[in-house]
Amino acid sequence: ELKVEQNPLFLSMQEGKNYTIYCNYSTTSDRLYWYRQDPGKSLESLFVLLSNGAVKQEGRLMASLDTKARLSTLHITAAVHDLSATYFCAVMYGNKLVFGAGTILRVKS
Amino acid sequence: DAGITQSPRHKVTETGTPVTLRCHQTENHRYMYWYRQDPGHGLRLIHYSYGVKDTDKGEVSDGYSVSRSKTEDFLLTLESATSSQTSVYFCAISEPGQGSGVGKLFFGSGTQLSVL
Repeated sequence: ELKVEQNPLFLSMQEGKNYTIYCNYSTTSDRLYWYRQDPGKSLESLFVLLSNGAVKQEGRLMASLDTKARLSTLHITAAVHDLSATYFCAVMYGNKLVFGAGTILRVKS
Repeated sequence: DAGITQSPRHKVTETGTPVTLRCHQTENHRYMYWYRQDPGHGLRLIHYSYGVKDTDKGEVSDGYSVSRSKTEDFLLTLESATSSQTSVYFCAISEPGQGSGVGKLFFGSGTQLSVL
């Protein structure tokens, strides 16, 4: 059974700083997703990573995938308050998407 | 929300009563999913469907049943609601992705269910 672990589970950071969220998974998969969720809202897709070495960037967020290490990272550059949200990684397992527990990100000004 | 409607948006019910949540899509997507979201657990898969009348269990299926008689509708039923089923329920849809498996999931707005 696939296990997906995110860390940290809670991250409080100052505006302008950089930080990385890690997503480890236990079984081979060639597809990984990052989602964002604002409080009381649904999930919004951020990135789809389809192959080893894949890197995607959107604004201050950059996601990468290392399938050999079974690791994905979500790097935040020069954080701003608007990035405050919960971030989930999710790994494809057959026809199912298995989610990590989520990282609550709070950016303080 | 990619043509996905969940109903009701909020529901309060009593322990032991049956509850049905509905997910309706207008995208004609093949795959539909029900997840529950609880603090500290992320989203956990309850049941999913890969076609009309084709369903399968997820990791937390006990106490839940589903039905899909039409492509556009996926129903989640709690036969006898318990307080442990208080949660936010999300429906998601997807099409087959590149290669094997499914593509990106699109999520509905969620249903907040409280079982007292």
